[in-house]
Amino acid sequence: DVKVTQSSRYLVKRTGEKVFLECVQDMDHENMFWYRQDPGLGLRLIYFSYDVKMKEKGDIPEGYSVSREKKERFSLILESASTNQTSMYLCASSPSRATYNEQFFGPGTRLTVL
Amino acid sequence: DAKTTQPNSMESNEEEPVHLPCNHSTISGTDYIHWYRQLPSQGPEYVIHGLTSNVNNRMASLAIAEDRKSSTLILHRATLRDAAVYYCILTDGNKLVFGAGTILRVKS
Repeated sequence: DVKVTQSSRYLVKRTGEKVFLECVQDMDHENMFWYRQDPGLGLRLIYFSYDVKMKEKGDIPEGYSVSREKKERFSLILESASTNQTSMYLCASSPSRATYNEQFFGPGTRLTVL
Repeated sequence: DAKTTQPNSMESNEEEPVHLPCNHSTISGTDYIHWYRQLPSQGPEYVIHGLTSNVNNRMASLAIAEDRKSSTLILHRATLRDAAVYYCILTDGNKLVFGAGTILRVKS
């Protein structure tokens, strides 16, 4: 089975801190994604990556950056956390760019910024 | 992005079939129709997808209208574990654009 793991289930940070959210997949997938999920707004795509060192902006990239130095790992970085970044963050991976490929999601990280 | 319309919520009795509708009148010829579901406190999980023909897998069936402007996810025998939010999604390249989904409640 494909496994997507995220470094923490729950995280509490203070405003202005630099925050790293880590995601690892174990199935040699090419694509990886970061979403955030908020009540009433659903899941929104922040960034995605088609390959190592490649990144593409999603729908809401402001305030975030990403890093993909190895194929299996995709990191989401909040350079200076703010309270409006309190959210559930979900990572996903898929085998390739084909539009029919399913995405496999991790369990999520619930981030609270105080 | 192509949009989908789903009912906000539906209710089903356990062991009965459930038909979850989705309208996607602006679908393009190359859009795949995907269904995902999200159980409480979990990330979304893939259910099924199709392009033009009806599809079956171990979880569900997908019935696609001939004009592709609507589709229906069919759970053949709902269980309490099927209570979740079900998302109907049209692919935009390799991006999934999630809508609000349908909250499915299953009564015992």
